[in-house]
Amino acid sequence: AQSVTQLDSQVPVFEEAPVELRCNYSSSVSVYLFWYVQYPNQGLQLLLKYLSGSTLVESINGFEAEFNKSQTSFHLRKPSVHISDTAEYFCAVSRGGTSYGKLTFGQGTILTVHP
Amino acid sequence: DVKVTQSSRYLVKRTGEKVFLECVQDMDHENMFWYRQDPGLGLRLIYFSYDVKMKEKGDIPEGYSVSREKKERFSLILESASTNQTSMYLCASSPVGEQFFGPGTRLTVL
Repeated sequence: AQSVTQLDSQVPVFEEAPVELRCNYSSSVSVYLFWYVQYPNQGLQLLLKYLSGSTLVESINGFEAEFNKSQTSFHLRKPSVHISDTAEYFCAVSRGGTSYGKLTFGQGTILTVHP
Repeated sequence: DVKVTQSSRYLVKRTGEKVFLECVQDMDHENMFWYRQDPGLGLRLIYFSYDVKMKEKGDIPEGYSVSREKKERFSLILESASTNQTSMYLCASSPVGEQFFGPGTRLTVL
């Protein structure tokens, strides 16, 4: 079975500061990894994903995450945050291969960006 | 763009009522999922379906059932709603890997 742990439930930062949201997973098989973002009163949107290949993946709005197999981590980073990045972020893992796309989610991290 | 729609954004029901939550996707995805989202607990999988009329229990199926008569539609049923089922319910569809989510239904059971 897989599990995902997001190490911080809330992360407050000032605008233009760097941020890191931490995610660790446990799995005995190869995995796919995802970060989703949820803005207030909305559903989840995919931010970025790691399926294979380069271990550093990037989103269109400046976030990046690095798959670290030895540390079983997939931390999300952004060098300079904006007020509009305020949202809840979820890390998720899917077992590679035929798993019907089932995802296991972490508990979520609420990022609050202050002016 | 993939579109996943849910029948209601907000719903208020009384204890003991039968509740239907509907989800429709327009991308011919094989897999569909129902989650509930509660603060501090993230998303927990209730049921999923990998084909028409096929379903499997997720992590928290107790008190829920599902129906998938057509590929594009996946319904979540609360046979007898209880106050501890007050939550945000999210539907998703997926080919394999990435899931696409609907906007959610916030259900309150009084």
